[in-house]
Amino acid sequence: DQQVKQNSPSLSVQEGRISILNCDYTNSMFDYFLWYKKYPAEGPTFLISISSIKDKNEDGRFTVFLNKSAKHLSLHIVPSQPGDSAVYFCAASGSGTSYGKLTFGQGTILTVHP
Amino acid sequence: DGGITQSPKYLFRKEGQNVTLSCEQNLNHDAMYWYRQDPGQGLRLIYYSQIVNDFQKGDIAEGYSVSREKKESFPLTVTSAQKNPTAFYLCASSRARGGQPQHFGDGTRLSIL
Repeated sequence: DQQVKQNSPSLSVQEGRISILNCDYTNSMFDYFLWYKKYPAEGPTFLISISSIKDKNEDGRFTVFLNKSAKHLSLHIVPSQPGDSAVYFCAASGSGTSYGKLTFGQGTILTVHP
Repeated sequence: DGGITQSPKYLFRKEGQNVTLSCEQNLNHDAMYWYRQDPGQGLRLIYYSQIVNDFQKGDIAEGYSVSREKKESFPLTVTSAQKNPTAFYLCASSRARGGQPQHFGDGTRLSIL
């Protein structure tokens, strides 16, 4: 049972345009969401997060939107740069788990073309 | 420079052998985690530890064992009971119980000869 899903395995975008990565979840106990970026043969790097009490969080070129009623979140990257090419994972955590377990989506490969 | 060090980066194991993956952190984090990544899949939690001398099973603990004798170290042993050990293993840590975000090491790729 996949509680966090990233339905697009890949996304290709032109440099300077917007990249939108999507993530859906099914567990209503999730209340904290994170996006990680991962290069091949490296560990994931934390990008940005959002608590369920918010619907938007911004950090530079990165913005995460949360739609609780739809159980959907998205990561917007504006403008996209070739260095943004990587695998992006969304992850979710619930207050009901005392140990902060993260449940990850399958990842989306983003390719930004010059 | 604080961070998480995983070693070795690549590891080969013969069938029937146990192998131990190292994870060391100098971030002074209380909590540490082990994840496994398979191609086309997200990360899945193997074991976690919130404090020294204590650890708990994650979602896919069968065939694995851990120890937490020091705050800085959380080694993972892949035993011969693990039927499909070939994967990319990632260690993570966070400041406190349930703390986010988790910070990751660069991983160890384990392959079976």
